[in-house]
Amino acid sequence: QITLRESGPTLVKPTQTLTLTCTFSGFSLNTGGVGVDWIRQPPGKALEWLALIYGDDNKIYSPSLKSRLTITKDTSKNQVVLTMTNMDPVDTATYYCAHRAESVDRYWGQGTLVTVSS
Amino acid sequence: DIVMTQSPDSLAMSLGERATINCKSSQSVLHSSNNKNYLVWYQQKPGQPPKVLINWASTRESGVPDRFSGSGSGTDFTLTISSLQAEDVAVYYCQQFYSTPRTFGQGTKVEIK
Repeated sequence: QITLRESGPTLVKPTQTLTLTCTFSGFSLNTGGVGVDWIRQPPGKALEWLALIYGDDNKIYSPSLKSRLTITKDTSKNQVVLTMTNMDPVDTATYYCAHRAESVDRYWGQGTLVTVSS
Repeated sequence: DIVMTQSPDSLAMSLGERATINCKSSQSVLHSSNNKNYLVWYQQKPGQPPKVLINWASTRESGVPDRFSGSGSGTDFTLTISSLQAEDVAVYYCQQFYSTPRTFGQGTKVEIK
């Protein structure tokens, strides 16, 4: 059974760096065909894809946010970490991680709401 | 980026009625190498993450009721709920995975009239 869980701060101040952790079980992130995506959703708004890391450590970022994002994995801990620098109130959103296989994100975490406010 | 535009933004139908949601991409998401449309439909209920209903534009995911169907090709796609049930109240999103970044439509909210 594949499960994912996001964790991190619920409140960050403008200009700070956000670090989110996705802890997963039920699969191994050590093969090229499997990946973990990060997606976010501002309150009441649509979904926005942020970044992806594959098991072979190939990383892909949203071009519009690439300068602010870093995605890494710790295979031994079954974790994927996303950092986003220079946070702004417009980055207030629920952040999800999801398991990607065969090009489809079938398994998602419940998401974690991050509010950016001073 | 490929822009995904859904219509309508919301719809309210009676139980048992047919609901149709449209999704249009700003460029084709049909890959010529395999003749597959790189499009997914998600259902998102309040307080929950999205759930995959349909992938490759028309392939229903395992466990998804057969009242849900997807159709279309190239740039124009449709999600149909053949007989709306109370548990179908949700926001529905299309997403293309033809190119990076993967992009979503703005969502269509489905309610019961």
